[in-house]
Amino acid sequence: QVQLQESGPGLVKPSQTLSLTCTVSGGSISSGSYYWSWIRQPAGKGLEWIGRIYTSGSTNYNPSLKSRVTISVDTSKNQFSLKLSSVTAADTAVYYCAREVGIAAAGIWGQGTLVTVSS
Amino acid sequence: DIQMTQSPSSLSASVGDRVTITCRASQSISSYLNWYQQKPGKAPKLLIYAASSLQSGVPSRFSGSGSGTDFTLTISSLQPEDFATYYCQQSYSTPAFGQGTRLEIK
Repeated sequence: QVQLQESGPGLVKPSQTLSLTCTVSGGSISSGSYYWSWIRQPAGKGLEWIGRIYTSGSTNYNPSLKSRVTISVDTSKNQFSLKLSSVTAADTAVYYCAREVGIAAAGIWGQGTLVTVSS
Repeated sequence: DIQMTQSPSSLSASVGDRVTITCRASQSISSYLNWYQQKPGKAPKLLIYAASSLQSGVPSRFSGSGSGTDFTLTISSLQPEDFATYYCQQSYSTPAFGQGTRLEIK
């Protein structure tokens, strides 16, 4: 079955760019009508939807983060990626990648990766 | 922005109890409402999508109802593995989650 795995630096300095990759295994990222999304969760807090990319490459972003977020897909590597620029301590969180069906129902999730923003 | 408000924020219940969690949207979202369960240190798990459709593999003791602005998640008979935090999520506009309901053992 399809599985997702996040990877990337666990520590990012303030004002720099956070970069994470989600690798899809057990199926092609290009097949089916799915959205590939990023969601984050600060320690002890709730979930925040960051954005998503469709297999065609079209994207949707949370307006509160839109100016700093870029989500892209690399079908040759079966991966999609998140870049979040100008990070601050408020961006410290566990970052999850997920596969959504049309109504943003995220049925498959990665295990999550903790990213800490600190100098 | 559409705001999602869950109630209660926390709940104590016993194995075998029937439990209901409510989610209210700040404006109508039709049936664009999903429910998730999250256990400590784990990724959320989709339980219900489109307000009332049970995700494959989820036990039938979980059910969802509602449309417009008011929605409920019901667990008909609590099992030990159900003690967790539950989140609603609207997908009518930019997806957004409720603040969560922590379900604890009484």
